[in-house]
Amino acid sequence: NAGVMQNPRHLVRRRGQEARLRCSPMKGHSHVYWYRQLPEEGLKFMVYLQKENIIDESGMPKERFSAEFPKEGPSILRIQQVVRGDSAAYFCASSLPRTSGGQETQYFGPGTRLLVL
Amino acid sequence: AQTVTQSQPEMSVQEAETVTLSCTYDTSESDYYLFWYKQPPSRQMILVIRQEAYKQQNATENRFSVNFQKAAKSFSLKISDSQLGDAAMYFCAYRRSTSYGKLTFGQGTILTVHP
Repeated sequence: NAGVMQNPRHLVRRRGQEARLRCSPMKGHSHVYWYRQLPEEGLKFMVYLQKENIIDESGMPKERFSAEFPKEGPSILRIQQVVRGDSAAYFCASSLPRTSGGQETQYFGPGTRLLVL
Repeated sequence: AQTVTQSQPEMSVQEAETVTLSCTYDTSESDYYLFWYKQPPSRQMILVIRQEAYKQQNATENRFSVNFQKAAKSFSLKISDSQLGDAAMYFCAYRRSTSYGKLTFGQGTILTVHP
C-alpha cells in the first residue's frame, strides 16, 4: 500500500506567481490535512478536507490560499501571488474514515518545499 | 485552545544508551490522543508511537516507550538502546478525540546520537 504522495517535492516560484501543491492520500483514506512548517519551527495546521468538502480551514490564511479535494484526483493546496514569507515546507497527511476505527492516526507525505525568490 | 510544549530544544545521547524527551500539554478535554513523530534530515514525518488518553497503560513500540501522566499532562518519550538512525527532530503532538481532529505540534527537540 503506497504511502501519502506529494508532488512536487521541491517548487521554486518568483514573487507574484502561483504555487500548486498536490497530495494523493493513502488508499482508502478520505480525510486529508495540510500543515505548514516554517524554518526552525514545528508544523502548524492549515486545513482539513474530506472528499468535495472543506471541514476546517481555521489555520489557513484568508487571502491567497485555497484548498480542494475533488471527488476524483488529488487534493490541491493553491497559493496565489506568492510572497517570500510563503517559503516553507508544506505537508499533507491522510487518515481513515471514522467508521474504520483508525481515524485517529494521520500519516504524512514527504512534503513539498516551496521557495519563493 | 490546546497547546503542546517541548522544553528541550536539543538533546544528545551516546549510542546504546537511553534518552528521554519531554512533552507537556494543556487541554480541558478528557479524551484525546497523543503522538510522537520523528523528522529525520529527509524531513519526512514518521509516526513513532501513539497513546490514547483513556488507556492507563503506557504505549510501547520496540525500543520506544512513553511515560503518560494524565493528571500532570505530561507525555515523555523514552528511547532505549539508542541507534545512530534515531538522530532526528522529534515532535510531540496532540489531537482531540472528536470525529476529526487537527494535530497540534510542539516546537520539537533535536536529538543527536553520538557513536
